[in-house]
Amino acid sequence: GAGVSQSPRYKVAKRGQDVALRCDPISGHVSLFWYQQALGQGPEFLTYFQNEAQLDKSGLPSDRFFAERPEGSVSTLKIQRTQQEDSAVYLCASRPDRFGEQYFGPGTRLTVT
Amino acid sequence: AQTVTQSQPEMSVQEAETVTLSCTYDTSESDYYLFWYKQPPSRQMILVIRQEAYKQQNATENRFSVNFQKAAKSFSLKISDSQLGDAAMYFCAYQGAQKLVFGQGTRLTINP
Repeated sequence: GAGVSQSPRYKVAKRGQDVALRCDPISGHVSLFWYQQALGQGPEFLTYFQNEAQLDKSGLPSDRFFAERPEGSVSTLKIQRTQQEDSAVYLCASRPDRFGEQYFGPGTRLTVT
Repeated sequence: AQTVTQSQPEMSVQEAETVTLSCTYDTSESDYYLFWYKQPPSRQMILVIRQEAYKQQNATENRFSVNFQKAAKSFSLKISDSQLGDAAMYFCAYQGAQKLVFGQGTRLTINP
């Protein structure tokens, strides 16, 4: 079946612009995660949803970052007033239940100029 | 907080040879999962192998196997009969309650 998809694959934003990154998880997957991967680094956790409930947002770096999953499927990560340090690959992952393996999407590469 | 350390930023191996990638982690939890993920230039994270902490037997997946030493908090990956397609970044990852905690990665080069 279809895997996790993310759009857009690439996004260039001018400093100060708002951006929205979309994640379509595997159908029926309960858990959804967002990670941020800076160049040459390992991914770092941003936030976690179980169905529509955001259970952990401890990794969001500032209040400019906001994530939602209103119907328990598609999720959107929004970054307001983008800064250069927000440049990174944003990875989405989903999991069928509360435990086990996470399945990753291809990521969105955000470049803030 | 849990941490994962990969002490080898880069490794190289001759095609058809065997290579071992190192990983150590720190946790106070007793129940957790450990993973090795492969990330080629396409950026897609691909699961290579997983290990449940309660299982004493080391996981194997075809040419990939792990050496899981729970007391030492060590989780190394052995790749046998290396192939050109194995070239990628490899990340060791820890999962406790929910989120994954990744190491810094090891870039693996395969020499033909």
